[in-house]
Amino acid sequence: AQSVAQPEDQVNVAEGNPLTVKCTYSVSGNPYLFWYVQYPNRGLQFLLKYITGDNLVKGSYGFEAEFNKSQTSFHLKKPSALVSDSALYFCAVRDRTGANNLFFGTGTRLTVIP
Amino acid sequence: DSGVTQTPKHLITATGQRVTLRCSPRSGDLSVYWYQQSLDQGLQFLIQYYNGEERAKGNILERFSAQQFPDLHSELNLSSLELGDSALYFCASSVVEETQYFGPGTRLLVL
Repeated sequence: AQSVAQPEDQVNVAEGNPLTVKCTYSVSGNPYLFWYVQYPNRGLQFLLKYITGDNLVKGSYGFEAEFNKSQTSFHLKKPSALVSDSALYFCAVRDRTGANNLFFGTGTRLTVIP
Repeated sequence: DSGVTQTPKHLITATGQRVTLRCSPRSGDLSVYWYQQSLDQGLQFLIQYYNGEERAKGNILERFSAQQFPDLHSELNLSSLELGDSALYFCASSVVEETQYFGPGTRLLVL
């Protein structure tokens, strides 16, 4: 069975500092991993994905994520946080058993402090 | 803007009632997915349609059903509504197995 875990419900970071939002996964076979962001009263916006290839994936708004197979992690990172990055972030893994639906983590609320 | 549209944005109804949520996928996307987001259950996959046919089912209650029409828009029908059905319902679309793009959601409140 596929699953993802986001161990931190809340992450606070000062504006201009680097940020990391953690995600670990459990899948059978090669994972398809995703990060989405949800702003208040908005839908989920796609940030980036890892399918295969380079372990460092670059995405929208300056975000990147590093796939680490040995640690089964896919942490989201940004070198310099902006106040506008404050939102709810979801890690997801795609079902590899035939359907293509996503299994989401519980979400991490990122607050960037001015 | 993802290109996925959902109507209505908000819906308030009473227990026991039936509602229909509508989703129009991005142009060219054949797959439509429905997800439910609630405080206690998080984001959960409900059902997927591909080019008019049901492709996968997740944690969808028997009181809920969906369909995808020839023009590829989809409807999610929720019946015999209970207080616990109050949630944000998202539709997403994709080109076969590619990235899913989400609509803005329909917020359902059952009183």
